[in-house]
Amino acid sequence: SQTIHQWPATLVQPVGSPLSLECTVEGTSNPNLYWYRQAAGRGLQLLFYSVGIGQISSEVPQNLSASRPQDRQFILSSKKLLLSDSGFYLCAWSVGNGLYGYTFGSGTRLTVV
Amino acid sequence: GENVEQHPSTLSVQEGDSAVIKCTYSDSASNYFPWYKQELGKRPQLIIDIRSNVGEKKDQRIAVTLNKTAKHFSLHITETQPEDSAVYFCAAKGYSTLTFGKGTMLLVSP
Repeated sequence: SQTIHQWPATLVQPVGSPLSLECTVEGTSNPNLYWYRQAAGRGLQLLFYSVGIGQISSEVPQNLSASRPQDRQFILSSKKLLLSDSGFYLCAWSVGNGLYGYTFGSGTRLTVV
Repeated sequence: GENVEQHPSTLSVQEGDSAVIKCTYSDSASNYFPWYKQELGKRPQLIIDIRSNVGEKKDQRIAVTLNKTAKHFSLHITETQPEDSAVYFCAAKGYSTLTFGKGTMLLVSP
């Protein structure tokens, strides 16, 4: 069966520090991968999605970037965090273009101080 | 692109009552409509979905209806229980990615 791993679960980082969040999927090949952010009490904001290795689509211009160095690995990065980057970051995957829904990882709660 | 509106933002019911959450979408090409439940501090989880060739789907106490002409779909929960308390998100899938509504916080009081 397919599983999705996301780490770390929680992270407290100072303003201006770098960020690297990692997500891996097991049990499937060539998944579509997604990064979402959820501010406290708010909805799900799509940040990036990828349909293949090295293919990244950005939905929201900001100081975050994403990379997909391997088929089942998706990384969210920042060179310098802002206070507004705080939130709950969720990785998700889907078969093909998502006609069977998305499966979310357990999330990373990031607090920028 | 797709735009999904979800109402209400908060819904309080007594245990045993029914709850209805409504969503509208803008892209007539959207053909897949999932619903997710997110408990506090946890990941959203798919609870039910419906495709554009179906008008209604049921799974025990939950059901979803779709009106393609009006471009709206709804989640119905019957005989609500305290463990149904969570945030519920609707979503619509058009050509590309899923677009989510802003969520409905459902509170079920014992």
